[in-house]
Amino acid sequence: DSGVTQTPKHLITATGQRVTLRCSPRSGDLSVYWYQQSLDQGLQFLIQYYNGEERAKGNILERFSAQQFPDLHSELNLSSLELGDSALYFCASSVSQGNSPLHFGNGTRLTVT
Amino acid sequence: AQSVTQLGSHVSVSEGALVLLRCNYSSSVPPYLFWYVQYPNQGLQLLLKYTTGATLVKGINGFEAEFKKSETSFHLTKPSAHMSDAAEYFCAVSDRNNQGGKLIFGQGTELSVKP
Repeated sequence: DSGVTQTPKHLITATGQRVTLRCSPRSGDLSVYWYQQSLDQGLQFLIQYYNGEERAKGNILERFSAQQFPDLHSELNLSSLELGDSALYFCASSVSQGNSPLHFGNGTRLTVT
Repeated sequence: AQSVTQLGSHVSVSEGALVLLRCNYSSSVPPYLFWYVQYPNQGLQLLLKYTTGATLVKGINGFEAEFKKSETSFHLTKPSAHMSDAAEYFCAVSDRNNQGGKLIFGQGTELSVKP
């Protein structure tokens, strides 16, 4: 058990809808990272937050947004969903920035129909 | 920009045989290097990492990797494969100069172990 909790485990929704994925980092970890895993794109870094502030941005679509709250949990919001957004979304956390290893949750599997 | 290339999307070995999973990186400055393993329906788990010092790094489950700067490689090995090693393995890099800590992953190598 990595200590990172993601909810829900599975999500099925229709095109055009909006969903929110939630992540609770390991106790004491200040950084939260979001990744998208799909068969064709592999593991793609989306965005990172550190102690409530956005710290790095990757291949995140404008339809997607995230935030980290004062209690350090994070949410990833996906809107105007398309079929191609179907993927496994992982949250990871680390103690700090730099070379700290990332600890991954078990992911949320999103299916857009 | 940094990138990671894993040679071979699928590797199959017999139980007891040597496991060799290849990883090459592209970076102007040697990055921090990681290997992660993903079992079905689970998140990624850290196997080992290289940050500085000894270039041969030992990890969990009998795996090790060697950082070779001249070859820009960080191949993962295990002397004797076990059935429980069947999983997907990801090599990843983190920019040493960027304290952000985000990881860039390779495409992954699926390891199959035959009895």
